[in-house]
Amino acid sequence: GAGVSQSPRYKVAKRGQDVALRCDPISGHVSLFWYQQALGQGPEFLTYFQNEAQLDKSGLPSDRFFAERPEGSVSTLKIQRTQQEDSAVYLCASSLAGSYNEQFFGPGTRLTVL
Amino acid sequence: AQSVTQPDIHITVSEGASLELRCNYSYGATPYLFWYVQSPGQGLQLLLKYFSGDTLVQGIKGFEAEFKRSQSSFNLRKPSVHWSDAAEYFCAVGFLSGGYQKVTFGTGTKLQVIP
Repeated sequence: GAGVSQSPRYKVAKRGQDVALRCDPISGHVSLFWYQQALGQGPEFLTYFQNEAQLDKSGLPSDRFFAERPEGSVSTLKIQRTQQEDSAVYLCASSLAGSYNEQFFGPGTRLTVL
Repeated sequence: AQSVTQPDIHITVSEGASLELRCNYSYGATPYLFWYVQSPGQGLQLLLKYFSGDTLVQGIKGFEAEFKRSQSSFNLRKPSVHWSDAAEYFCAVGFLSGGYQKVTFGTGTKLQVIP
Protein backbone atom coordinates (compact mmCIF):
# COMPACT_ATOMS: atom_id res chain seq x y z
CA GLY A 1 0.00 0.00 0.00
CA ALA A 2 0.92 3.65 -0.03
CA GLY A 3 3.44 5.04 2.38
CA VAL A 4 3.20 8.16 4.51
CA SER A 5 2.40 11.20 2.43
CA GLN A 6 2.82 14.84 3.30
CA SER A 7 1.60 18.02 1.67
CA PRO A 8 2.63 20.45 0.53
CA ARG A 9 6.16 19.28 -0.19
CA TYR A 10 7.41 22.87 -0.21
CA LYS A 11 5.97 25.92 1.47
CA VAL A 12 7.22 29.48 1.42
CA ALA A 13 5.70 31.83 3.94
CA LYS A 14 6.25 35.44 4.82
CA ARG A 15 7.14 36.07 8.41
CA GLY A 16 3.99 36.41 10.44
CA GLN A 17 1.84 34.20 8.23
CA ASP A 18 0.10 31.06 9.49
CA VAL A 19 0.83 27.73 7.81
CA ALA A 20 -0.75 24.28 7.92
CA LEU A 21 1.15 21.13 7.06
CA ARG A 22 -0.70 17.90 6.37
CA CYS A 23 0.27 14.29 7.04
CA ASP A 24 -1.51 11.20 5.71
CA PRO A 25 -0.24 8.19 7.65
CA ILE A 26 -0.24 4.61 6.50
CA SER A 27 -3.74 3.19 6.82
CA GLY A 28 -4.21 1.39 10.11
CA HIS A 29 -1.27 3.02 11.84
CA VAL A 30 -2.33 4.07 15.30
CA SER A 31 0.77 6.07 16.17
CA LEU A 32 1.75 9.31 14.49
CA PHE A 33 4.79 11.48 15.12
CA TRP A 34 5.91 14.92 13.98
CA TYR A 35 9.59 15.89 13.79
CA GLN A 36 11.40 19.09 12.89
CA GLN A 37 14.65 18.81 10.95
CA ALA A 38 16.68 22.01 10.73
CA LEU A 39 19.34 22.35 8.07
CA GLY A 40 22.34 20.17 8.85
CA GLN A 41 20.68 18.58 11.86
CA GLY A 42 18.93 15.37 12.68
CA PRO A 43 15.18 15.24 13.17
CA GLU A 44 13.92 16.45 16.53
CA PHE A 45 10.74 15.14 18.12
CA LEU A 46 7.82 17.54 18.24
CA THR A 47 4.71 15.59 19.21
CA TYR A 48 3.06 12.17 19.33
CA PHE A 49 -0.50 10.98 18.73
CA GLN A 50 -2.08 7.67 19.57
CA ASN A 51 -5.22 7.64 17.45
CA GLU A 52 -6.80 11.05 18.02
CA ALA A 53 -5.19 11.63 21.41
CA GLN A 54 -2.14 13.83 21.59
CA LEU A 55 -0.16 12.07 24.30
CA ASP A 56 3.08 13.97 24.12
CA LYS A 57 3.64 17.51 22.92
CA SER A 58 6.79 18.15 24.87
CA GLY A 59 8.85 18.90 21.77
CA LEU A 60 6.71 21.73 20.40
CA PRO A 61 9.03 24.74 20.53
CA SER A 62 6.43 27.36 21.37
CA ASP A 63 2.72 27.94 21.73
CA ARG A 64 2.69 29.03 18.08
CA PHE A 65 2.90 25.35 17.16
CA PHE A 66 -0.26 23.30 17.28
CA ALA A 67 -1.01 19.79 16.03
CA GLU A 68 -4.23 17.87 15.70
CA ARG A 69 -5.50 14.51 14.50
CA PRO A 70 -9.26 14.78 15.01
CA GLU A 71 -10.34 11.46 13.49
CA GLY A 72 -7.27 9.44 14.29
CA SER A 73 -5.95 9.38 10.75
CA VAL A 74 -4.85 12.56 8.95
CA SER A 75 -2.88 15.00 11.05
CA THR A 76 -2.20 18.70 10.63
CA LEU A 77 0.66 20.67 12.10
CA LYS A 78 -0.14 24.34 12.29
CA ILE A 79 2.34 27.10 12.89
CA GLN A 80 0.97 30.53 13.71
CA ARG A 81 2.80 33.80 13.10
CA THR A 82 5.76 32.07 11.48
CA GLN A 83 9.27 33.23 12.28
CA GLN A 84 12.49 32.74 10.34
CA GLU A 85 13.70 30.20 12.89
CA ASP A 86 10.74 28.00 11.95
CA SER A 87 12.38 27.30 8.58
CA ALA A 88 13.03 23.57 8.51
CA VAL A 89 11.83 20.29 7.08
CA TYR A 90 8.86 18.92 8.99
CA LEU A 91 8.70 15.14 8.95
CA CYS A 92 5.75 12.98 9.80
CA ALA A 93 6.05 9.32 10.76
CA SER A 94 3.52 6.64 11.57
CA SER A 95 3.66 3.18 13.08
CA LEU A 96 1.50 0.34 14.27
CA ALA A 97 0.56 0.27 17.92
CA GLY A 98 3.17 -1.08 20.31
CA SER A 99 6.60 -0.12 21.46
CA TYR A 100 8.71 -2.13 19.06
CA ASN A 101 7.19 -1.15 15.77
CA GLU A 102 9.13 0.71 13.12
CA GLN A 103 8.28 4.31 12.39
CA PHE A 104 7.70 4.92 8.68
CA PHE A 105 8.58 8.42 7.55
CA GLY A 106 7.03 10.65 4.95
CA PRO A 107 9.12 12.75 2.54
CA GLY A 108 8.65 15.88 4.63
CA THR A 109 7.51 19.43 4.03
CA ARG A 110 10.26 21.99 3.54
CA LEU A 111 9.12 25.27 5.09
CA THR A 112 10.96 28.46 4.25
CA VAL A 113 10.01 31.61 6.14
CA LEU A 114 11.14 34.83 4.51
CA ALA B 1 18.58 12.63 28.93
CA GLN B 2 19.51 10.47 26.04
CA SER B 3 21.84 11.76 23.32
CA VAL B 4 23.56 10.54 20.19
CA THR B 5 26.90 11.61 18.77
CA GLN B 6 27.97 11.06 15.21
CA PRO B 7 31.52 12.43 15.13
CA ASP B 8 31.91 12.41 11.36
CA ILE B 9 29.91 15.06 9.55
CA HIS B 10 31.09 14.02 6.11
CA ILE B 11 32.83 10.88 4.81
CA THR B 12 34.11 10.12 1.33
CA VAL B 13 34.84 6.56 0.21
CA SER B 14 35.64 4.95 -3.10
CA GLU B 15 33.11 2.64 -4.66
CA GLY B 16 33.89 -0.92 -3.60
CA ALA B 17 35.70 0.14 -0.45
CA SER B 18 34.52 -0.76 3.02
CA LEU B 19 32.60 1.69 5.18
CA GLU B 20 32.25 2.30 8.88
CA LEU B 21 30.11 5.11 10.30
CA ARG B 22 30.56 5.86 13.95
CA CYS B 23 27.84 6.38 16.52
CA ASN B 24 28.06 6.86 20.28
CA TYR B 25 25.08 7.19 22.54
CA SER B 26 24.35 8.27 26.06
CA TYR B 27 21.50 6.62 27.90
CA GLY B 28 21.12 5.26 31.39
CA ALA B 29 19.55 1.92 30.54
CA THR B 30 19.73 -0.55 27.70
CA PRO B 31 18.92 1.49 24.65
CA TYR B 32 16.96 0.80 21.53
CA LEU B 33 19.26 1.72 18.67
CA PHE B 34 18.58 2.51 15.04
CA TRP B 35 20.29 3.50 11.83
CA TYR B 36 18.31 5.41 9.21
CA VAL B 37 19.28 6.57 5.73
CA GLN B 38 17.97 9.72 4.07
CA SER B 39 18.40 10.39 0.37
CA PRO B 40 17.85 13.94 -0.97
CA GLY B 41 14.17 14.81 -0.98
CA GLN B 42 13.25 11.52 0.63
CA GLY B 43 12.06 10.56 4.05
CA LEU B 44 14.06 8.48 6.46
CA GLN B 45 14.32 4.77 5.79
CA LEU B 46 15.18 2.31 8.53
CA LEU B 47 18.33 0.31 7.78
CA LEU B 48 18.45 -1.75 10.95
CA LYS B 49 17.60 -1.74 14.63
CA TYR B 50 18.81 -3.26 17.87
CA PHE B 51 16.49 -3.99 20.74
CA SER B 52 18.12 -6.95 22.47
CA GLY B 53 19.87 -10.24 21.81
CA ASP B 54 22.66 -10.71 19.31
CA THR B 55 24.80 -7.58 19.31
CA LEU B 56 25.62 -7.89 15.61
CA VAL B 57 22.59 -6.78 13.65
CA GLN B 58 22.01 -7.32 9.96
CA GLY B 59 20.00 -4.80 7.99
CA ILE B 60 18.86 -4.02 4.51
CA LYS B 61 21.10 -3.14 1.57
CA GLY B 62 24.00 -5.17 2.97
CA PHE B 63 24.50 -3.03 6.09
CA GLU B 64 25.28 -4.32 9.54
CA ALA B 65 25.90 -2.72 12.92
CA GLU B 66 27.42 -3.89 16.17
CA PHE B 67 26.24 -2.86 19.61
CA LYS B 68 29.12 -2.51 22.07
CA ARG B 69 27.82 -1.69 25.51
CA SER B 70 31.28 -1.11 27.00
CA GLN B 71 31.97 1.58 24.41
CA SER B 72 28.41 2.93 24.18
CA SER B 73 28.73 2.54 20.45
CA PHE B 74 26.60 1.29 17.58
CA ASN B 75 28.75 1.62 14.47
CA LEU B 76 27.37 0.94 11.01
CA ARG B 77 29.40 -1.07 8.52
CA LYS B 78 29.26 -2.23 4.94
CA PRO B 79 31.99 -4.34 3.32
CA SER B 80 31.69 -2.88 -0.17
CA VAL B 81 30.05 0.45 -0.89
CA HIS B 82 27.99 1.09 -4.02
CA TRP B 83 27.48 4.49 -5.65
CA SER B 84 23.80 4.29 -4.72
CA ASP B 85 24.76 4.31 -1.02
CA ALA B 86 25.56 8.03 -1.23
CA ALA B 87 23.13 9.61 1.23
CA GLU B 88 22.94 10.92 4.76
CA TYR B 89 22.95 8.42 7.60
CA PHE B 90 21.42 9.00 11.01
CA CYS B 91 22.00 7.03 14.16
CA ALA B 92 19.21 7.19 16.72
CA VAL B 93 18.45 6.00 20.23
CA GLY B 94 15.00 5.32 21.55
CA PHE B 95 13.42 4.71 24.89
CA LEU B 96 9.95 3.75 25.99
CA SER B 97 7.77 6.62 27.09
CA GLY B 98 4.17 5.85 27.97
CA GLY B 99 4.02 2.85 25.67
CA TYR B 100 5.67 4.31 22.60
CA GLN B 101 9.20 4.78 21.27
CA LYS B 102 10.57 8.28 21.79
CA VAL B 103 13.53 8.62 19.46
CA THR B 104 16.51 10.97 19.56
CA PHE B 105 18.56 11.34 16.41
CA GLY B 106 22.19 12.23 15.86
CA THR B 107 23.21 15.05 13.57
CA GLY B 108 23.96 12.73 10.69
CA THR B 109 26.92 11.69 8.53
CA LYS B 110 26.85 12.56 4.87
CA LEU B 111 28.40 9.83 2.72
CA GLN B 112 29.95 10.64 -0.63
CA VAL B 113 30.95 7.77 -2.93
CA ILE B 114 33.54 8.39 -5.62
CA PRO B 115 34.08 6.11 -8.61
